[in-house]
Amino acid sequence: AQTVTQSQPEMSVQEAETVTLSCTYDTSESNYYLFWYKQPPSRQMILVIRQEAYKQQNATENRFSVNFQKAAKSFSLKISDSQLGDTAMYFCAFQLRIKAAGNKLTFGGGTRVLVKP
Amino acid sequence: DTAVSQTPKYLVTQMGNDKSIKCEQNLGHDTMYWYKQDSKKFLKIMFSYNNKELIINETVPNRFSPKSPDKAHLNLHINSLELGDSAVYFCASSQPGTSGGPRTDTQYFGPGTRLTVL
Repeated sequence: AQTVTQSQPEMSVQEAETVTLSCTYDTSESNYYLFWYKQPPSRQMILVIRQEAYKQQNATENRFSVNFQKAAKSFSLKISDSQLGDTAMYFCAFQLRIKAAGNKLTFGGGTRVLVKP
Repeated sequence: DTAVSQTPKYLVTQMGNDKSIKCEQNLGHDTMYWYKQDSKKFLKIMFSYNNKELIINETVPNRFSPKSPDKAHLNLHINSLELGDSAVYFCASSQPGTSGGPRTDTQYFGPGTRLTVL
């Protein structure tokens, strides 16, 4: 079974600064995806970024980037130029990449990020 | 143009009642899911369906019964509601594929339904 651990329950950052969220996971599989989802106070789950394990290049989406270390099973999220709208709960998630459908997401416990003006 | 929608958004009911939550997606995806988020914000898979066929049933009490009338809809019916069922329930959908395209296998979530059992 796969597990995902987010060791930082809460983080705060000043507007326009950078914050890095940690995520580690455990799996014996080699073919999988990793995701970061954002959950603002509105409760909507919003996809932030996705990484395929077979790709060495780290994924980026505008101000969001990841540091994917496959051997270390680490997948951190960097938020650059933080904005007030980035205030949310951030979840790291793991999903096996298999041909069969219905691949479940396994989530970490979340990190609450507060961006201060 | 909502991609994944759920009704209702809020549901308050008494213990012992039976209730349903509906989910619809207009993304053309083949696979749909139900997740439960507890009071500590922990998210866990409950069920998944692919093209109306049950794929995952993750140790959920028999009081929970998903139903998929077609691949665009996945409803969740809960019998004999208990206090511990209070949570936020999320529906999600994805398109499985081996092409490795940027969106295959990525799950898109509905807005959630907050269920409160009194």
